[in-house]
Amino acid sequence: AQKVTQAQTEISVVEKEDVTLDCVYETRDTTYYLFWYKQPPSGELVFLIRRNSFDEQNEISGRYSWNFQKSTSSFNFTITASQVVDSAVYFCALSEADSNAGNMLTFGGGTRLMVKP
Amino acid sequence: DTAVSQTPKYLVTQMGNDKSIKCEQNLGHDTMYWYKQDSKKFLKIMFSYNNKELIINETVPNRFSPKSPDKAHLNLHINSLELGDSAVYFCASSQGRLAGYTFGSGTRLTVV
Repeated sequence: AQKVTQAQTEISVVEKEDVTLDCVYETRDTTYYLFWYKQPPSGELVFLIRRNSFDEQNEISGRYSWNFQKSTSSFNFTITASQVVDSAVYFCALSEADSNAGNMLTFGGGTRLMVKP
Repeated sequence: DTAVSQTPKYLVTQMGNDKSIKCEQNLGHDTMYWYKQDSKKFLKIMFSYNNKELIINETVPNRFSPKSPDKAHLNLHINSLELGDSAVYFCASSQGRLAGYTFGSGTRLTVV
């Protein structure tokens, strides 16, 4: 069974600090997909990134970067020089390619990030 | 143009009532989903349809019945609403995993 754990329930930083959100996953499949979503106070879910299990290259998009480590089953997300607008709940999610359950996303419990001015 | 639209955005109703939430996507995706987000922000799959065929039906009370008249629509009907049904319900769609999932803006259901 697939599982996603985000151990940090809440993180508070001051603007311009760097912050890393942790994500650890469990799956028996060799092919799977990992995602990060942002949920700002307005409530919508915003897609940030997806990564397949065969691509361990780290990715950078502006102030966002992601570190995928299969050896530790982790897919961590770092925000550099955080801004108040980054305040949101961030979800890590997993989808198994070999599952009979179609394209179901299993979400972690989310990490609430508060960036103070 | 909203890619995945849900209506209504807010729904307040009394216990025992029957209500529906509608979802439409204009992305041409084959698969649509309903997710429930509880008060602690946990997100969990409820149903998934692929080309109008039910492929995922998680442990959800049978008071919840999804209906997909075509692949662009997936509605959620809830009978005999209970207090515990209060949550935010998200509709989503996808076209394979590589494209990611697109979520609607959510429907906040409050049962009083």
